[in-house]
Amino acid sequence: GQNIDQPTEMTATEGAIVQINCTYQTSGFNGLFWYQQHAGEAPTFLSYNVLDGLEEKGRFSSFLSRSKGYSYLLLKELQMKDSASYLCAVIDSNYQLIWGAGTKLIIKP
Amino acid sequence: DAEITQSPRHKITETGRQVTLACHQTWNHNNMFWYRQDLGHGLRLIHYSYGVQDTNKGEVSDGYSVSRSNTEDLPLTLESAASSQTSVYFCASSQGTSDTGELFFGEGSRLTVL
Repeated sequence: GQNIDQPTEMTATEGAIVQINCTYQTSGFNGLFWYQQHAGEAPTFLSYNVLDGLEEKGRFSSFLSRSKGYSYLLLKELQMKDSASYLCAVIDSNYQLIWGAGTKLIIKP
Repeated sequence: DAEITQSPRHKITETGRQVTLACHQTWNHNNMFWYRQDLGHGLRLIHYSYGVQDTNKGEVSDGYSVSRSNTEDLPLTLESAASSQTSVYFCASSQGTSDTGELFFGEGSRLTVL
């Protein structure tokens, strides 16, 4: 079966750095997305990785290792507004999106 | 500005009733998707369409149907609502080939089946 694993919940402090991990076992790989979802709202796109390495976009970075089936989302200089769920999704060999259950990130002052 | 809208945003219905959730996008995207989101689960794909007159079943399609008569709309119908279909439903659209493009989501429709 296809599986994406993320921690259910994480807590971090305002101003700090947090890393949210995502491991996947899918039938093939054609890219990986990270989305942010605030409570009661729609998911919004954060990043897309298809090649190994780090993609940086402001305070957010996303890393991919295809050989390890692993990605992480790195959030720097945390702000209270970063409190949200972070969803990892993988495109499999049939070009279908497989979603993780999401990581709820709680930011404390 | 282009957008994707869902209606109704909240709906309470009774078991056995037919319900239709509307989704309208002005991005002119070929690809449209319906997902449901439940606690402890990732987004689960119900149905999707890659263009007008094209519809496909997702992993949880039983009890749901869609039709695509134009580019802008993909209504989702629950033929006979069941309590197990209480959920938050998200419509999404994308450009590009199949699922490889960034998804743009509607604001969601919260459905309660009593």
